[in-house]
Amino acid sequence: NAGVMQNPRHLVRRRGQEARLRCSPMKGHSHVYWYRQLPEEGLKFMVYLQKENIIDESGMPKERFSAEFPKEGPSILRIQQVVRGDSAAYFCASSPVVRDRAKETQYFGPGTRLLVL
Amino acid sequence: DAKTTQPTSMDCAEGRAANLPCNHSTISGNEYVYWYRQIHSQGPQYIIHGLKNNETNEMASLIITEDRKSSTLILPHATLRDTAVYYCIVRGGSNYKLTFGKGTLLTVNP
Repeated sequence: NAGVMQNPRHLVRRRGQEARLRCSPMKGHSHVYWYRQLPEEGLKFMVYLQKENIIDESGMPKERFSAEFPKEGPSILRIQQVVRGDSAAYFCASSPVVRDRAKETQYFGPGTRLLVL
Repeated sequence: DAKTTQPTSMDCAEGRAANLPCNHSTISGNEYVYWYRQIHSQGPQYIIHGLKNNETNEMASLIITEDRKSSTLILPHATLRDTAVYYCIVRGGSNYKLTFGKGTLLTVNP
């Protein structure tokens, strides 16, 4: 069973360009989470999605950032008009549907390292 | 979710047991203790979780005190590849977010 897959693993963009980060959850998982890790900092929750629905985007910046998880295909984290402060590692996690949410385990992908020049 | 406190760093000799402590004195009855680790530049790796009973899997053991105010992650035979930042996270109820603190940097020495 393949793990969570993310691509690209490394992405370089110039200021003002768009960045698209893709995440394919583990087989059978219908919940996707995105976290961001700024240099020398801990991981911070950004957004939680289920198929075709954004459940919680409270950790995502209000402007320039958007996320989707379509019925078919991977989840996409999109950053428009990137700035240097967007340089970070972006991690995706997935989890299965579990009745007791407290026991729901999230499994992480290898991350995408975004560098904005 | 309850706040956790971990030492900033620890050292362990290769082949010995690594015991990583975590304090979570404000944990409530329906909150689980989760452990993840992050090896340099990689994605966080799930290790183990528990509610009140001790748990063991192929990676580690989790010992939770009877009052649930603290726990210890045990790596029985640490190897150099276990060098990583270890995060203790308390999560419960309907909260799906993982709140990562600064964790403990475990360095396994040859």
